[in-house]
Amino acid sequence: YVLTQPPSVSVAPGQTARITCGADNIGSKSVHWFQQKPGQAPVLVMSFGSDRPSGIPERLSGFNSGNTATLTISSVEAGDEADYYCQVWDNRSEHWVFGGGTKLTVL
Amino acid sequence: EVQLVESGGGLVTPGGSLRLSCAASGFTFSTYAMNWVRQAPGKGLEWVSSLGGRSQPMYYADSVKGRFTISRDNAKSSLYLQMSSLRVEDTALYFCVRGGGDQPFHYWGQGTLVTVSS
Repeated sequence: YVLTQPPSVSVAPGQTARITCGADNIGSKSVHWFQQKPGQAPVLVMSFGSDRPSGIPERLSGFNSGNTATLTISSVEAGDEADYYCQVWDNRSEHWVFGGGTKLTVL
Repeated sequence: EVQLVESGGGLVTPGGSLRLSCAASGFTFSTYAMNWVRQAPGKGLEWVSSLGGRSQPMYYADSVKGRFTISRDNAKSSLYLQMSSLRVEDTALYFCVRGGGDQPFHYWGQGTLVTVSS
């Protein structure tokens, strides 16, 4: 099972960034999203598609349907610049799968 | 406060072995599945292995199956990864992560670096 993410997304401060994660029928799965800044461990920013863990700002939201899951970051700030990864559990292979990651650049 | 502290990384020659450890605190260790996730230098995240709270179920990525063994000691709140027949491509930062089953990968350690080189 392969999760496809765009390698990079660029957005100006204050604008909206949308990071996609594509896979066959991903809408039927629970998708988790992680943010990773340079030299740091990943941080869970969205779970089960649209649940924000405690401490994650409301500017982040998630949606999952069909063949695409999307992490949306509204009113982007410089501090949002990071790599973002999606993740699902693949029942068929009994493997956890990560997307290749998307580098968010704040212009 | 949940804490996960990895140790045991280092430099090893191809074909060698290494045992990683993860000391957990701040939660009831035996009630959570645990995982190892790695990240090669400059690359993305790669799931390595998962283990349920009572040492079942156990899962491995295809890239490490037959070479790596995950285990845990609930009495010591510790997770382990025994790595053998190491390859250059196993070089990575190895993270210990709490989560799995119906729980997302919420808590991550800071990682321990494994370098496989001659």
